[in-house]
Amino acid sequence: DSGVTQTPKHLITATGQRVTLRCSPRSGDLSVYWYQQSLDQGLQFLIQYYNGEERAKGNILERFSAQQFPDLHSELNLSSLELGDSALYFCASSVKGVGEQYFGPGTRLTVT
Amino acid sequence: AQSVTQLGSHVSVSEGALVLLRCNYSSSVPPYLFWYVQYPNQGLQLLLKYTSAATLVKGINGFEAEFKKSETSFHLTKPSAHMSDAAEYFCAVSEGFGNEKLTFGTGTRLTIIP
Repeated sequence: DSGVTQTPKHLITATGQRVTLRCSPRSGDLSVYWYQQSLDQGLQFLIQYYNGEERAKGNILERFSAQQFPDLHSELNLSSLELGDSALYFCASSVKGVGEQYFGPGTRLTVT
Repeated sequence: AQSVTQLGSHVSVSEGALVLLRCNYSSSVPPYLFWYVQYPNQGLQLLLKYTSAATLVKGINGFEAEFKKSETSFHLTKPSAHMSDAAEYFCAVSEGFGNEKLTFGTGTRLTIIP
């Protein structure tokens, strides 16, 4: 158990819909990262937050957005969903920006 | 830009044999390097990390990796494979402060033959 929690574990939804994935980092970790894992693209970095502020953006679509709240939990919002958005979405956290990242169990999103 | 190449998407070894998973990296600055393992339907678990200290890094479950700057490599080894080592292994690189994101290789699926 990494100490990073993600909900829900599984999500099945239809094209065009909007979903919210939630992540709670390890206690004391200020930095939260979101990654997408798919068969096509492998593991891709989406976005990073540090202590409530956006710190870095990767290959994140404009239909996707994220935020980190004062209690340091983070949410990833995916809208206008397409079949190609079906993937595993991982959240990771680290104490500061630099150093090892600890991953949550992931949310498996299926868009039908 | 940082990148990682993992040679061999599938590796099979006999139980008790040496495990060698290859990773080469590219980075414009001294890198931070990591190996993660992913068991089916689970998240990624950190095996070990290199953060510019000792070049030979020991991790969990008997794994170790050696950082070789001249070869831009960070290969993962284990002297004796166990059935429980069957999983997917990912090498990742980070450029540290200011660019902390992990860039992953495509992964190597390790199969252990009884």
